[in-house]
Amino acid sequence: AQSVTQLDSQVPVFEEAPVELRCNYSSSVSVYLFWYVQYPNQGLQLLLKYLSGSTLVESINGFEAEFNKSQTSFHLRKPSVHISDTAEYFCAVTLDPDSGGGADGLTFGKGTHLIIQP
Amino acid sequence: AAGVIQSPRHLIKEKRETATLKCYPIPRHDTVYWYQQGPGQDPQFLISFYEKMQSDKGSIPDRFSAQQFSDYHSELNMSSLELGDSALYFCASSSGQLMNTEAFFGQGTRLTVV
Repeated sequence: AQSVTQLDSQVPVFEEAPVELRCNYSSSVSVYLFWYVQYPNQGLQLLLKYLSGSTLVESINGFEAEFNKSQTSFHLRKPSVHISDTAEYFCAVTLDPDSGGGADGLTFGKGTHLIIQP
Repeated sequence: AAGVIQSPRHLIKEKRETATLKCYPIPRHDTVYWYQQGPGQDPQFLISFYEKMQSDKGSIPDRFSAQQFSDYHSELNMSSLELGDSALYFCASSSGQLMNTEAFFGQGTRLTVV
């Protein structure tokens, strides 16, 4: 079974500063990786995903994540955060269909609360 | 654009009562997933359906059951409710059986058991 570890439960950072939210996964087979964002009392919104190909994936709002197979990581970064980025960020994994995955549910990490300080 | 619709948005039930949560996927999406998110917790996968058949099962209690109907909407039935069932229940939908297609989440149903 796969698992996801988000080591930081909270990350405080000043506005316009860079941020990195860490995500490590464990799986014996190939996986797909996702970052979701959850604003207070809202559902989960997909930020970006890695399926295959280029290991660096970007979202439309300035976030990017890099898949590192050797370190089994998928850290999320943003060079300059804004107050509106305050939210809970979840890293998630599911099995690559070529590894037997299908309509498997996502396995989520515990989440990282990004706190932007003015 | 149409999103995943969940109803009701809020539900208050007493212990040992029954609750039914509904999920209406995005049009032409044939796969539905249910998740449970306890207070301050990460979402936990409960169950999924593809083309009206159960596809995968996660940590869904035996007291819960779910199904997907011919119009692809899904219902999560919860019986003998316990205080610990209080949580945010999310439904997600995607096109096709493979999760490599983007899964869209609904706003969730907040269930409070008193």
